[in-house]
Amino acid sequence: EVQLVESGGGLIQPGGSLRVSCAVSGFTVSSAFMTWVRQAPGKGLEWVSIIYHDGRTDYADAVRGRFTISRDNSKNTLSLQMSSLRVEDTAIYYCARDVLSGDHWGQGTLVTVSS
Amino acid sequence: DIQMTQSPSSLSASVGDTVTITCRASQGIYNSLAWYQQKEGKAPKLLLSAASRLQSGVPPRFSGSGSGTDYTLTISSLQPEDFATYYCQQYYIARTFGQGTKVEI
Repeated sequence: EVQLVESGGGLIQPGGSLRVSCAVSGFTVSSAFMTWVRQAPGKGLEWVSIIYHDGRTDYADAVRGRFTISRDNSKNTLSLQMSSLRVEDTAIYYCARDVLSGDHWGQGTLVTVSS
Repeated sequence: DIQMTQSPSSLSASVGDTVTITCRASQGIYNSLAWYQQKEGKAPKLLLSAASRLQSGVPPRFSGSGSGTDYTLTISSLQPEDFATYYCQQYYIARTFGQGTKVEI
């Protein structure tokens, strides 16, 4: 059974750093396109980042240079390292297997950036 | 970056109605378009990919069409469980979501 379970969310001050992770079972992260999508409270979905099976990465303009997506093939996990966090980064962060790899989503982890 | 303009932002409908939601891309995306349904407090659910390919288990009252820059999601004979928010997503270059359409009673 495919499962994606996010963790690492919490309350962080503006300017701080946080790492959210996604534990994957049922397939190998190295074989799939994996993405992070976020949703601010009461707002729509916003694509954040993708890592392709060949290791290439891409980011939304809003997070490029501040966020880094990575995967650990030995642990079969996906991560998003977030730095220089802003109030507007407050959102539920979803880990998802990309539509081109057989869409599947986690339940999300809430990141709140506030002083 | 490719921008996705989705309309309307919300609509009111009744059970049994047919509703249409549109998405326009800022450049051609060659049918690299997905439609998602999201209910309150839940992760999005994929309905269609490649503009018109219905996902397994999704009722055939959901259909998609379009080409080039303009795409449409049609829900025929709206059911109570269809009241939700719908998003388009292009995956031709990186990924971009539309702003969403809330389908309300």
